Amino acid sequence: DAEITQSPRHKITETGRQVTLACHQTWNHNNMFWYRQDLGHGLRLIHYSYGVHDTNKGEVSDGYSVSRSNTEDLPLTLESAASSQTSVYFCASSPGTGGTYEQYFGPGTRLTVT
Amino acid sequence: DQQVKQNSPSLSVQEGRISILNCDYTNSMFDYFLWYKKYPAEGPTFLISISSIKDKNEDGRFTVFLNKSAKHLSLHIVPSQPGDSAVYFCAASAISNFGNEKLTFGTGTRLTIIP
Repeated sequence: DAEITQSPRHKITETGRQVTLACHQTWNHNNMFWYRQDLGHGLRLIHYSYGVHDTNKGEVSDGYSVSRSNTEDLPLTLESAASSQTSVYFCASSPGTGGTYEQYFGPGTRLTVT
Repeated sequence: DQQVKQNSPSLSVQEGRISILNCDYTNSMFDYFLWYKKYPAEGPTFLISISSIKDKNEDGRFTVFLNKSAKHLSLHIVPSQPGDSAVYFCAASAISNFGNEKLTFGTGTRLTIIP
């Protein structure tokens, strides 16, 4: 079955370290998204991609970067982790065609920056 | 600036009764709306959606109502079941010609169904 996976599921890192969170989908979806979930803020968009080599900033992109070298993967990199980046991170994908707007989410990565 | 607002952080409803979750938006460009359900330690899952050309969409126990003039939508769950206990997110998008979209999410409402 097609799916979307995230790894690791849990990560503890130190302030200042570079961290990369992986996201892999097997639906062959054009669109991929990264969100963070924080209490009182809901889901906020970090970065998104509409296809290979396309990346765009979301509303909370500072301190994060992404690259899209193939259809299946959109890794999220925290250049220099900060305590404010402690959060739960969700990756999502959507077809990007046919007028469908539903996004399909991965299980999430809980990141703690100490 | 919160463009999609869910003003009730939590809601408790007796099993078998109707649950009504509310969502307001401010951006008049939004014309497609979705509800997602989230259990702890899992990703959000799509529940139901509605386009602005409709004012109601039903799927089993779930009905979404849209009032464009008031920029308000609501999700009705009837009858409510214990498995409906979760956090519900409202999301909105502007329909694009390319089928690409970003979703703007609300802050969520935690629904607890009391047995």
